[in-house]
Amino acid sequence: QKEVEQNSGPLSVPEGAIASLNCTYSDRGSQSFFWYRQYSGKSPELIMSIYSNGDKEDGRFTAQLNKASQYVSLLIRDSQPSDSATYLCAAASGGSYIPTFGRGTSLIVHP
Amino acid sequence: KAGVTQTPRYLIKTRGQQVTLSCSPISGHRSVSWYQQTPGQGLQFLFEYFSETQRNKGNFPGRFSGRQFSNSRSEMNVSTLELGDSALYLCASSLPSADYEQYFGPGTRLTVT
Repeated sequence: QKEVEQNSGPLSVPEGAIASLNCTYSDRGSQSFFWYRQYSGKSPELIMSIYSNGDKEDGRFTAQLNKASQYVSLLIRDSQPSDSATYLCAAASGGSYIPTFGRGTSLIVHP
Repeated sequence: KAGVTQTPRYLIKTRGQQVTLSCSPISGHRSVSWYQQTPGQGLQFLFEYFSETQRNKGNFPGRFSGRQFSNSRSEMNVSTLELGDSALYLCASSLPSADYEQYFGPGTRLTVT
């Protein structure tokens, strides 16, 4: 069974710090990886996609992928209180068309 | 470009009733997936439709069903509602490509009393 594991948190960081969110996946055939942000009471919002090993940067966000270790991470630089949310990691493999989602990590950025 | 829309946004039903939820995908997106999200179980996959055909199905009882129309709009139906069906029901659409990027609608909050 395909699984995506995340620490549920909460991860608490001070404003301005780097928040590091981690995720591991079980299916070695996974090819596409996603990070979603979900505010309380709202729906998930896609913030990053990554498909190859290495880093991908978009503004304050950096996604990192290591397929050999089956590990995906999301770094948020200069964290702001508005970044406080649950972050969902997802992995998809060829043929299924459906990503497998982790349970999410709660991030709290305190002033 | 307009995002995924879902109607209704909130719904209160009584045990034993049935409910139909609607989803309109982003223009050009032909795949529509449905998820149930609860605090205890997280995001659980219900089913996915592509070109009016159910392509994937999750592990939910037959009370949960869906369909997709020729314009890619989708509906899901839950019959004989149970208290445990209270959840946020999310619809997500994606392009017919191998990237699997899904974009979620605002969801329908269903409460069963």
